[in-house]
Amino acid sequence: EVQLVESGGGLVQPGGSLRLSCAASGFTFSSHWMSWVRLTPRKGLEWVANINEDGDKQYYVQSVKGRFTISRDNAKNSLSLQMNSLRAEDTAVYFCARGIATALFDFWGQGTLVTVSS
Amino acid sequence: DVVMTQSPLSLPVTLGQPASISCRSTQTLLLSDGNTYLNWYHQRPGQSPRRLIFKVSNRDSGVPDRISGSGSGTDFTLEISRVEAEDVGVYYCVQGSYWPPYTFGQGTKLEIK
Repeated sequence: EVQLVESGGGLVQPGGSLRLSCAASGFTFSSHWMSWVRLTPRKGLEWVANINEDGDKQYYVQSVKGRFTISRDNAKNSLSLQMNSLRAEDTAVYFCARGIATALFDFWGQGTLVTVSS
Repeated sequence: DVVMTQSPLSLPVTLGQPASISCRSTQTLLLSDGNTYLNWYHQRPGQSPRRLIFKVSNRDSGVPDRISGSGSGTDFTLEISRVEAEDVGVYYCVQGSYWPPYTFGQGTKLEIK
């Protein structure tokens, strides 16, 4: 059974940093692109970033470029999102999701809440 | 960026009645290889999104056949032939033909009248 379990969310002040993790199991992690997608009351679902199977290609939505870094450790079946210079508008539930093309976002984790507030 | 526009944003439906959600893109999602990457998702309150339909009309495993997707080019539709209580929640379309970024519709909230 495919499982994606996020962790690392919490309350952080504007300008602060947070690192999210996603533990994957039940499939060959190293064979799949992975993404982070966030959910906000104002904008709904928003794709944040993705990374290819080997970890040498990363893509970001414009609003997080230069602040967020997506990475993966295939030996540990783990996906990460390093978030720096956080803003109030980054407040969201962050999901990790699997796949690209025909497999686009075919499985999702349960999400982790990030709140950016003073 | 491709903008995805859903309508309606709120959809009250009587149990057993049909429901239909539209999703329009600002440019054709049909690629030169013949693929169209348009998916539909359902999110119940407090849960993560679940993929229902991929590549316009392909139903995911376990999705009942009363749920279907159709469309082409820039116009797509999700239809539920007979709404059941388990169908409440928010439905999203997303395009995967032109990325980055992947772009979602605003979401359509289905509720039971």
